[in-house]
Amino acid sequence: SQQGEEDPQALSIQEGENATMNCSYKTSINNLQWYRQNSGRGLVHLILIRSNEREKHSGRLRVTLDTSKKSSSLLITASRAADTASYFCATAFSGTYKYIFGTGTRLKVLA
Amino acid sequence: EPEVTQTPSHQVTQMGQEVILRCVPISNHLYFYWYRQILGQKVEFLVSFYNNEISEKSEIFDDQFSVERPDGSNFTLKIRSTKLEDSAMYFCASRDKVSRSSYEQYFGPGTRLTVT
Repeated sequence: SQQGEEDPQALSIQEGENATMNCSYKTSINNLQWYRQNSGRGLVHLILIRSNEREKHSGRLRVTLDTSKKSSSLLITASRAADTASYFCATAFSGTYKYIFGTGTRLKVLA
Repeated sequence: EPEVTQTPSHQVTQMGQEVILRCVPISNHLYFYWYRQILGQKVEFLVSFYNNEISEKSEIFDDQFSVERPDGSNFTLKIRSTKLEDSAMYFCASRDKVSRSSYEQYFGPGTRLTVT
């Protein structure tokens, strides 16, 4: 399977804590993106990281990519209740233009 | 900032009816996609479209589905005879061709299709 798989499936933390979500995949990728989705809503693009990059930052978000381990992580620092959502990784594999989405991590930030 | 738009935001239809979901991709983009997400499940690729033809499709995209770029701005997904299991959120996405190595896709907000 070429699917990205996130873990944990669900994560519950207190406001102010950091949240880390992981994504693993199985074949070579061109790039990997992280998306957020509030319940029943659309996909909000967070960060794209290319296969030749190891780390990217955007505000409170930090994404790492380890192509040797075929894994990526998304770190949300100083979490807020508004960060409560599902987070998906989506991988674009070499030789194809489509994205394969993972099953997502449901993050709940408790106020 | 340019964005992908989709209409309607919510479509309710009866089983067996035809539906057309509409998307306006970002204006200079050349690659177009449809994905769907059944409630509580992952986002699934349906089809990609380039140069007025389908470039890739999944096993979900059977004969009941078709895509079209009827003019220079719209990109549509048609489901000929809807089934209950077609109920899902449908996302359109587009990509430019500035760089051959660029795979960045920009997603629209989605159309929620409810088949009753």
